[in-house]
Amino acid sequence: NAGVTQTPKFQVLKTGQSMTLQCAQDMNHEYMSWYRQDPGMGLRLIHYSVGAGITDQGEVPNGYNVSRSTTEDFPLRLLSAAPSQTSVYFCASSGQGPYEQYFGPGTRLTVT
Amino acid sequence: GQQVMQIPQYQHVQEGEDFTTYCNSSTTLSNIQWYKQRPGGHPVFLIQLVKSGEVKKQKRLTFQFGEAKKNSSLHITATQTTDVGTYFCADPQQYSGYSTLTFGKGTMLLVSP
Repeated sequence: NAGVTQTPKFQVLKTGQSMTLQCAQDMNHEYMSWYRQDPGMGLRLIHYSVGAGITDQGEVPNGYNVSRSTTEDFPLRLLSAAPSQTSVYFCASSGQGPYEQYFGPGTRLTVT
Repeated sequence: GQQVMQIPQYQHVQEGEDFTTYCNSSTTLSNIQWYKQRPGGHPVFLIQLVKSGEVKKQKRLTFQFGEAKKNSSLHITATQTTDVGTYFCADPQQYSGYSTLTFGKGTMLLVSP
């Protein structure tokens, strides 16, 4: 099993550009989520999904969109990138219940 | 929203010294999870504590959940350079069989040989 995969690993955007961060998992997990990690801030939840077709907002959802059309994939869209979105983005998945979350390797995004 | 506070933010020890990080909540936690993130890496699950006063050990790591379920600690005995990283506690908030995680800001551990 590949676990949780994320692409790209690195990305540089100009202010106002849009892009999609990809996340996929092969563990048949229903729950998937996106976090951003900024220095000294820990990990903050952006959006999450409890199954195909079901998404909800986390702590810092503004500027991001998500959709979940399949169990495996959970892309994160930046509609109009801003320098404040410079961060490391992690995707995670878990099975049902308060179980451990499996994190992907992350995408390091810089917005200039 | 609910927050978990971690202290210290940073600790630098000599190899062989012990290390402890603390996680505190103003409200009662149902469970608590601990994760480790190596420099440049991603968070990796270490353990989940569920019961009041629970103590679990993983080799040199000892995890404890407070009696009131408002605090937790991770203690590393005789640190090694492989222990370098940031240790996070996380509060799983449960909704209909799933849980979202609220992370503390982490304790960064540096171990000098």
